Amino acid sequence: DGGITQSPKYLFRKEGQNVTLSCEQNLNHDAMYWYRQDPGQGLRLIYYSQIVNDFQKGDIAEGYSVSREKKESFPLTVTSAQKNPTAFYLCASSIPGSRDRGNYGYTFGSGTRLTVV
Amino acid sequence: KNQVEQSPQSLIILEGKNCTLQCNYTVSPFSNLRWYKQDTGRGPVSLTIMTFSENTKSNGRYTATLDADTKQSSLHITASQLSDSASYICVVSPSTGGGNKLTFGTGTQLKVEL
Repeated sequence: DGGITQSPKYLFRKEGQNVTLSCEQNLNHDAMYWYRQDPGQGLRLIYYSQIVNDFQKGDIAEGYSVSREKKESFPLTVTSAQKNPTAFYLCASSIPGSRDRGNYGYTFGSGTRLTVV
Repeated sequence: KNQVEQSPQSLIILEGKNCTLQCNYTVSPFSNLRWYKQDTGRGPVSLTIMTFSENTKSNGRYTATLDADTKQSSLHITASQLSDSASYICVVSPSTGGGNKLTFGTGTQLKVEL
């Protein structure tokens, strides 16, 4: 079945440590996104990528980094520069809006909960 | 600034009852509005998507309405079930820009009890 897979489901980070969250999709979607979800807040965009080898900062990119070497994969690294990384992280993918006329193919993964210990 | 506001913030209803969730938005120009269901600890799942020309869309027991003039939408859940307990998120997309321009509401937390 086509879908988007995030791993791990739970992740614990020590102070000063970098951690990487995995996101893989087999939907043949060109665009991929990373969001952060905090209690009482709407999803906030961290980074997005419309095509392979290209990505753009979202609204809250500081302390995060990404790569897009393959169409199927869009890993997110939470660096030690991110001072408040505890949150629920969601990856999503879609056909670019220019072809999808409204991003109807917008699909989310099941999320990774990151906790600082 | 584009904003999406949802009400109520939380809601408790008895199994079998109906309920209506509200979404007001200021996104302009407007392209489409979506309702998602998010179970605890899971990713959001799409329930309905409506463009500015549509004023109602159903998905089983879920019916969404849209008034593009007043910039309001509602999600009506009929004959609620325990499995409807979740957060319901309203998401609005502008007509300019791609998937990176979505504006998310903070969600309504619904709990269905026996």
